[in-house]
Amino acid sequence: NAGVTQTPKFQVLKTGQSMTLQCAQDMNHEYMSWYRQDPGMGLRLIHYSVGAGITDQGEVPNGYNVSRSTTEDFPLRLLSAAPSQTSVYFCASRGTSSSYNEQFFGPGTRLTVL
Amino acid sequence: SQQGEEDPQALSIQEGENATMNCSYKTSINNLQWYRQNSGRGLVHLILIRSNEREKHSGRLRVTLDTSKKSSSLLITASRAADTASYFCATGTGTYKYIFGTGTRLKVLA
Repeated sequence: NAGVTQTPKFQVLKTGQSMTLQCAQDMNHEYMSWYRQDPGMGLRLIHYSVGAGITDQGEVPNGYNVSRSTTEDFPLRLLSAAPSQTSVYFCASRGTSSSYNEQFFGPGTRLTVL
Repeated sequence: SQQGEEDPQALSIQEGENATMNCSYKTSINNLQWYRQNSGRGLVHLILIRSNEREKHSGRLRVTLDTSKKSSSLLITASRAADTASYFCATGTGTYKYIFGTGTRLKVLA
């Protein structure tokens, strides 16, 4: 099993550009989520999904879109990149929706917006 | 808003010593988890403790939970250089979401 994979590992964007961060998992996990990690802030939840076709907002959803057309994939779209979106982005999945289960994290995407 | 606040923010110890880090949170939880993050990598789950549990062990890890004080501690015994990482607590407050703390950076000197 590859676990949770993310692409790209690094990305530089100019203000106003759009892009999609890819996330895939091969563990048949029901729940997937996106976090951003900023220095001194810990991880903050952007969006999450409890199954194909079902998504919801987390703590910091503005400027980001998600969709979940398959169990395996959960892409994160930046609609119009801003310098405030410079961060490290992590995708995570877990077996069920229950928060009693551990999350498995991808290696992250380091995004810089100029 | 941050649910969990880890203390200390940074900790430096000698190999073989014990490392203790603490997590405080604000609202009621149903479980608390600890994760490790090596530099430049994703987070790895270490241990979960439920709100009705007071202590849990896993190898060299010992976690305690005091719901009356809204706090948890992670003890790593006989630390090794490979334990150098950042450690985060994450509180489960409902079915779907965790809220992560700001982390403790642990450095173990050989």
